[in-house]
Order: sequence, then C-alpha cells, then structure tokens
Amino acid sequence: QVHLQESGPGLVKPSGTLSLTCAVSGVSISSSNWWTWVRQPPGKGLEWIGEVYQSGNANYNPSLRSRVTMSVDKSKNQFSLKMTSVTAADTAVYYCARRGGGAYDYWGQGTLVTVSS
Amino acid sequence: QSALTQPASVSGSPGQSITISCTGTSSDVGSYNLVSWYQQHPGKAPKLMIYELYKRPSGVSNRFSGSKSGNTASLTISGLQAEDEADYYCCSYAGFSTWVFGGGTKLTVL
Repeated sequence: QVHLQESGPGLVKPSGTLSLTCAVSGVSISSSNWWTWVRQPPGKGLEWIGEVYQSGNANYNPSLRSRVTMSVDKSKNQFSLKMTSVTAADTAVYYCARRGGGAYDYWGQGTLVTVSS
Repeated sequence: QSALTQPASVSGSPGQSITISCTGTSSDVGSYNLVSWYQQHPGKAPKLMIYELYKRPSGVSNRFSGSKSGNTASLTISGLQAEDEADYYCCSYAGFSTWVFGGGTKLTVL
C-alpha cells in the first residue's frame, strides 16, 4: 500500500523559507514516477507547485519557479520542497502526491503552513 | 499559465445526472488527453476519479465518466448519491512539463 506523509513547520515567518518533506512508503522513490507538491490556500482551489523525479530533475510552476526548489533523498525514500521569500499569500495546505503517468493517484493527508510573524 | 475554468457550483437531486465542465485552451486541454478529475471532501485530500480523459481507477464507481470536446473536458456523474457531494477539480497537462488545475466546482446534492 502506497502511503505519503508530509512533515514540516506549521508556522513560517514572512520573508522566511518554507521547508517540507514527504515520506514515501510502499513504493521506492526510485520508481518511474514524478513526485509532486500541490497546495490549497484556505477556502480556495488546488495549485500545482511542481514535481521532481528520482534523478533530481524537476519541473516547476512558472509563477513560483524563482522561489521553489525540490529534491529527492533516495536513502530516506523521501522528497522535499523549499520555498523562499514567503508571504501571507503562501499560507495553504500543502499536499505531496505521486504522479503515475498522467494523474495523481496517491496523496498525502496535507499539512497546513501558515505564514505569519 | 492560467487555471482551467470550472463552474463555481452545480447541483442535482439524488438519482439525477450532472456534468461539470473544465475549459482550457489549445495549449492544455485542447492539445492533450492528459486530463484527470479529483473529488475532495471537506478536510480531506483529493481523490483521483478519472484519468486520461475517461479512464477510471480501480474502485471508482462507473457512475463517473469523462469526455472532451475541443478545449473543454467534462465530468459526468450519473445516479447522483448524497456521498457525491464534494468539490471537484480537473487537471490538465499544460505543456513544457507543467500541469494546471481547474478552479474547482462545488457539487451539492439537493
């Protein structure tokens, strides 16, 4: 059974860096999948942030590209998201997910990150 | 990269059928069959309902179906049930290794 679990600080200060990790179990992160981050501001819709492959190759949302970095840690079977220069607009529930082919078939439960001083 | 356009809300009575549209452009929905649909209940993670336009994952009811015409994809739910009440999101490949979601549609079962 594939399982994804997000973890990281729930509160980040404005202009700071948001760092999240997604622990993957039930499948190797070295398998042929893209590992994805999606966020959802409170009461709003889903936004694709980007994805990373086992090789470290990553694709990002053009609107966030300058602030986002994703990476993979094969030894821990997990992948990570870093977002710099955060503002209140980055407050959201952050989900990690697996893209198998052309769809997101497994999702984490999501973690709320609030940007506030 | 703009969000795909979905109606903010749709409603239907139990047993009826409803259709949710997802309108993009010739750069995303119109050019690729990589459209998927997700159901999200309050406080829960999205759940994959349809992938590659019309395919259903194992365990998803055949009451859910997908299609596309031009730049617009559609999700149809037949035989509406109370448990179908949720938010629904479409997603499409948008080219250049990027993906885009729709704004979401709130389905109310009357």
